[in-house]
Amino acid sequence: DQQVKQNSPSLSVQEGRISILNCDYTNSMFDYFLWYKKYPAEGPTFLISISSIKDKNEDGRFTVFLNKSAKHLSLHIVPSQPGDSAVYFCAASDPSGGGADGLTFGKGTHLIIQP
Amino acid sequence: DAGVTQSPTHLIKTRGQHVTLRCSPISGHKSVSWYQQVLGQGPQFIFQYYEKEERGRGNFPDRFSARQFPNYSSELNVNALLLGDSALYLCASSLGAVPYNEQFFGPGTRLTVL
Repeated sequence: DQQVKQNSPSLSVQEGRISILNCDYTNSMFDYFLWYKKYPAEGPTFLISISSIKDKNEDGRFTVFLNKSAKHLSLHIVPSQPGDSAVYFCAASDPSGGGADGLTFGKGTHLIIQP
Repeated sequence: DAGVTQSPTHLIKTRGQHVTLRCSPISGHKSVSWYQQVLGQGPQFIFQYYEKEERGRGNFPDRFSARQFPNYSSELNVNALLLGDSALYLCASSLGAVPYNEQFFGPGTRLTVL
């Protein structure tokens, strides 16, 4: 049973437009969420995170929105650039065990930025 | 500064064999976590070690074991390899053990079991 779901395996966006990647979760104990970006033959790279006490966090072109009641978060990339083409993973953490359960990842969304 | 390093990069083994994967964390990081990423899936948590002690374990069989050394490097061992163990094995390091510490991932070891 997947606790973190990314229902779009792929997403194609035109360069300069907004990319919106979605993530849903089922475990109400999750209270810290992260987005990672992964290029082929490399490990995931941390992008941005958000704690459940916030509903928005911004870092440059990247903004993450959290809707706790809907158990939904989204990553907005504005404007999208060719270098943003990669697989994006949503991950969540349940701190009740002191982090002993590690991060729970979704399956990822392959973002393709079209020139 | 060097990031997380893993060795080897690629590995081919046959069923029933044993494998050891190695990870060196970022200097100053005391926590190492291991993840398995099967093709088409997200990384799945295997172990976390902090200050040389196991802090957490994911839903993996006892064939999987790990340890952390005094210099905070780590090894992941898998015994009696199965075809289903073929995956990318990722190591991540962080300053501390709590989940709010950002985890930095290495490039991974690609294990193929024939």
